[in-house]
Parts: sequence; structure tokens; C-alpha cells
Amino acid sequence: QLQLQESGPGLVRPSETLSLTCTVSGVSISSGSSYWGWIRQPPGKGLEWIGTISYSGSTNYNPSLKSHFTISGDTSKNQFSLKLNSVTAADTAVYYCARHFCSGGNCYGHYYFDYWGQGTLVAVSS
Amino acid sequence: QSVLTQPPSVSGAPGQRVTISCTGSNSNIGAGYDVHWYQQLPGTAPKLLIYGNNNRPSGVPDRFSGSKSGTSASLAITGLQAEDEADYYCQSYDSLSSSWVFGGGTKLTVL
Repeated sequence: QLQLQESGPGLVRPSETLSLTCTVSGVSISSGSSYWGWIRQPPGKGLEWIGTISYSGSTNYNPSLKSHFTISGDTSKNQFSLKLNSVTAADTAVYYCARHFCSGGNCYGHYYFDYWGQGTLVAVSS
Repeated sequence: QSVLTQPPSVSGAPGQRVTISCTGSNSNIGAGYDVHWYQQLPGTAPKLLIYGNNNRPSGVPDRFSGSKSGTSASLAITGLQAEDEADYYCQSYDSLSSSWVFGGGTKLTVL
């Protein structure tokens, strides 16, 4: 059974760097055609895709957020991580990791998020 | 401002049928990209409800169905139950922004 679990600090000070980790169990993050994403949800608001890392380590980011985030993978621990530089109050949100999956043959633009972690709340406050 | 537009709220009585619309444009839904739907119960992570416009993952009741036409998509829920009260989000790909996008979400209230 595929499971994902986010971990990280619940409180970060403005201008500091936030690091979150997603631990995956049940499948290797480096297995072929595996993609892994981060999504966030500010309190009381909707979902926003942040970025995705592939099984080979290539990354793809939301263009409106690209300069703010970095996604990396650690295949030895079967984890992938999200780093946010110079956080502000606007980064306060629940952060989810999820598998970014496509079940068909022609997958361009057809990916969806089929397994999600439970989410971790990150508050940015001094 | 979401690229995909959903009504903020819908409601229905138990046993009724409700639909939730998701309106996009020619750079996302209208370009042929699939629409997917998620259900988010209060205080929990989103759950995949419909993928590839009209496919249900294992375990999702057939009361839930999806459709797509032109630049819009819809989620239909029949035989409404109290447990269906949740937020629902559509998701697709937008070629203009080169990103995966979500609708703003719709809160379903079961009266």
C-alpha cells in the first residue's frame, strides 16, 4: 500500500528557510515513470500546485512560484523534499505531498494526484 | 483567481442529485487535457474522486460521475448522503502557464 508522510517544523520565522520532507513507503520514488509533487493550501483557501520531481530527479515548478521553491530527492531514504527560501506570512499553509500519476499511454498534461500525505501545517510568524 | 472556475457552494437534500461545474478555457480543458476531481472532507487531505474526466478509482461509489464537454467539466453526485458534505476541487493542466491547476473549490452542503 502506497503511503506518504510529510514532516517538518510547524513554525518558521519570516525570512528564514523552511524545509519539508515527504517519506514514501510502498514504492520506490526512483521507479520508472514515478512523479512526486508538492501542493499547498492556505488556511480557508484552495489548492495550489507547487512543483513535481520525477523518478530521474528532474523538476518542474509552478511558474508563478518557481524562484521561491526547490524540490529534491533522496533515493537512499525514499524521500523527496521541499525547500522554501525567505518565507513570508503568505507561505502559511498546509503543505501536502502526493504522487503525481498518469494511467494512460500518452500522459502529457494528463497527470493527477492519486495518493496524498495527511498534510503538515506550516505557520510563518515571528 | 483560479484558472478553473467553480461555484463557491452548492447544496442539496439527502437522496437528491447535485452537479458541480468547472469552467476553463482553450488553454486547459478546451485543449483536450483531462479533468480530475478531488473530495476534501473537513480537516483531511484531498482524496482523488474522478480521474481522466470520468473514471472512478477503486472504492469510490458509482454515485459519483464526471463528464467533460468543450471548455467545461462537471461532477455529478446522485443519491446525496450526509457523508458527501465536503469541498470538491477540479484539476487540469494549463498550457498557457505550463502548470497543473486547480479550481477554487466548491463547498457541498447536504441540507
